[in-house]
Amino acid sequence: DIVMTQSPDSLAVSLGERATINCKSSQSVFSSFSNKNFLAWYQHKPGQPPKLLINWASTREPGVPDRFSGSGSGTDFTLTISSLQAEDVALYYCHQYFGTHTFGQGTKLEIK
Amino acid sequence: EVRLLESGGGLLQPGGSLRLSCAASGFTFSTYAMSWVRQAPGKGMEWVSAISGSGGNTYYADSVKGRFTISRDNSKNTLYLQMNSLRDEDTAVYYCAKEREPPVFDYWGQGTLVSVSS
Repeated sequence: DIVMTQSPDSLAVSLGERATINCKSSQSVFSSFSNKNFLAWYQHKPGQPPKLLINWASTREPGVPDRFSGSGSGTDFTLTISSLQAEDVALYYCHQYFGTHTFGQGTKLEIK
Repeated sequence: EVRLLESGGGLLQPGGSLRLSCAASGFTFSTYAMSWVRQAPGKGMEWVSAISGSGGNTYYADSVKGRFTISRDNSKNTLYLQMNSLRDEDTAVYYCAKEREPPVFDYWGQGTLVSVSS
């Protein structure tokens, strides 16, 4: 299975500042056939179901604020929140669907 | 509005059995593949099993193959997970999730807790 490793495990950022979460896969999740990266990001708040934010590494879901962006290719990916809002406090997971589904261990995002 | 509501979790001893259910609403259930994903305490998410919209194709993680069985009743808009020969390491919150191509999990339930302990 493809192992997904996120960094850092936790992150504290001031309101209005940029938050960056990294995700590294043990093998490439890029398909040259489709020219796409099989990588998604989810937000998980306490007491709520996880929420899909981004798929294909950089495609935002409808309704997701544009302060959330995804980037990267191959084995290295980043979720960036350009200006942190209080409601962004959550756990964030990356997920690869190139092979059998696997997830990163999660990154806990807090307000500094 | 899409809603997924899991039920059936509980506390049981190793070797026991349990059946989880997930009641779906707000979408054409039979059109979409569904999955179970679990999260053990202090750990990340682990995909457990998936089933096609018709129910004709099923998929399992190696960790549960031969012990868990996924099924669905499209007439009742309900997904199931029959869990047998439960082990301590099966302790987790179990989420049902709706799949959408590519496939990603575009909607999740609130989860149901399964605790396996002697």
